[in-house]
Amino acid sequence: QVQLQESGPGLVKPSETLSLTCTVSGGSISGYYWSWVRQSAGKGLEWIGHIHHTRDTNYNRSLRGRIALSVDASKNQLSLKISSVTAADTAVYYCVRDTYYYESGAWEDVFDIWGQGTTVIVSS
Amino acid sequence: QLVLTQSPSASASLGASVKLTCTLSSGHNYYDIAWHQQQPEKGPRYLMKVNNDGGYSKGNDIPDRFSGSSSGAERYLTISSLQSEDEADYYCQTWGTGFRVFGGGTKVTVL
Repeated sequence: QVQLQESGPGLVKPSETLSLTCTVSGGSISGYYWSWVRQSAGKGLEWIGHIHHTRDTNYNRSLRGRIALSVDASKNQLSLKISSVTAADTAVYYCVRDTYYYESGAWEDVFDIWGQGTTVIVSS
Repeated sequence: QLVLTQSPSASASLGASVKLTCTLSSGHNYYDIAWHQQQPEKGPRYLMKVNNDGGYSKGNDIPDRFSGSSSGAERYLTISSLQSEDEADYYCQTWGTGFRVFGGGTKVTVL
């Protein structure tokens, strides 16, 4: 059974870079996109971006320029970096398996496995 | 721009049914969507995919009381025989090449 575990520092200072890792266990990174989603306190879900094992990446336009995603297939790990953070980046960050496939003439997508999330607070 | 609109809240009595709506923005009524459930203090969980033709397919271990349907630009999630554990936030989500979008979520209260 595939499981995702996010990890990283819980506290980041303003203007610094937030770095998170997602470790995939019970399955391979290959063949899937892997999304990052965040949720500010009391708010809804926001898609940050995703990366394929081939390193194809796409980002939320509102965050483009501050986001960097990478994948290390040898370690079955994904990473997220957000630069120049502010208090608005305080959130719970989730890693999600983003299964994107072609079926019956259309591209389909399933966010079928979610990590438990990790809380990041931006504060001095 | 593709936007998913959800009512902020819904409520129904224990054992009753509730139908949640996710509305696709103008010009986008052909998109399929997915529903996710987020119970209090937990991460989201994938429930199902709802096609633009009204068909739906559920994730693993999702109870039979959860079903999906569609009409025009609206996609629905119906929860029958409401249980206390169904009290949660429900998010719709859609996708395209290079993007993923979430609705604002609906908080379901079981009375």
